[in-house]
Amino acid sequence: KAGVTQTPRYLIKTRGQQVTLSCSPISGHRSVSWYQQTPGQGLQFLFEYFSETQRNKGNFPGRFSGRQFSNSRSEMNVSTLELGDSALYLCASSLKDGAAGYTFGSGTRLTVV
Amino acid sequence: QKEVEQNSGPLSVPEGAIASLNCTYSDRVSQSFFWYRQYSGKSPELIMSIYSNGDKEDGRFTAQLNKASQYVSLLIRDSQPSDSATYLCAVDDSNYQLIWGAGTKLIIKP
Repeated sequence: KAGVTQTPRYLIKTRGQQVTLSCSPISGHRSVSWYQQTPGQGLQFLFEYFSETQRNKGNFPGRFSGRQFSNSRSEMNVSTLELGDSALYLCASSLKDGAAGYTFGSGTRLTVV
Repeated sequence: QKEVEQNSGPLSVPEGAIASLNCTYSDRVSQSFFWYRQYSGKSPELIMSIYSNGDKEDGRFTAQLNKASQYVSLLIRDSQPSDSATYLCAVDDSNYQLIWGAGTKLIIKP
């Protein structure tokens, strides 16, 4: 059974650019969450989607957005990149909610220069 | 604000000994509690989940939950060098979000 797949694994972008990250959940998993991980702030929740609906959103500026498609695949977009957006972006999936825990992808390492 | 607290460590334990990791949380209504292991440069991996008071054992790992004290712990028996990693405590906030502790770095000394 394939795990959670995130693409790309690494990205280098320039300040002011925008970026789109992709996540394919485990087959059958309909809940997809996104987290940002930095050495200083740890793991911070971005948003969660289920059946193409955003059910919760973390305390991030509007530059961070996401969506989920009918096949449960998800994308997140960051516009007008800032140096502080450099982080590991993790996608996690679960069957319907987090009650049984989430399975994480390998992450996308974003560096903003 | 919902919080999860962990000692950042590092916690150094001799090989073969028991490693004890602790976590406290602030939200009394939380029902689901998790321990994740994260190796350097890798993503978190779920190793234990616990939902009711008491102990839950899985191989060398035992999770303990005390809801009255808002306390979760993870014991690792017969610690191996491969157990060296950062251990993250996470609590489900019942709103489709995990609240994370900062993680405890565990070092197993051969």
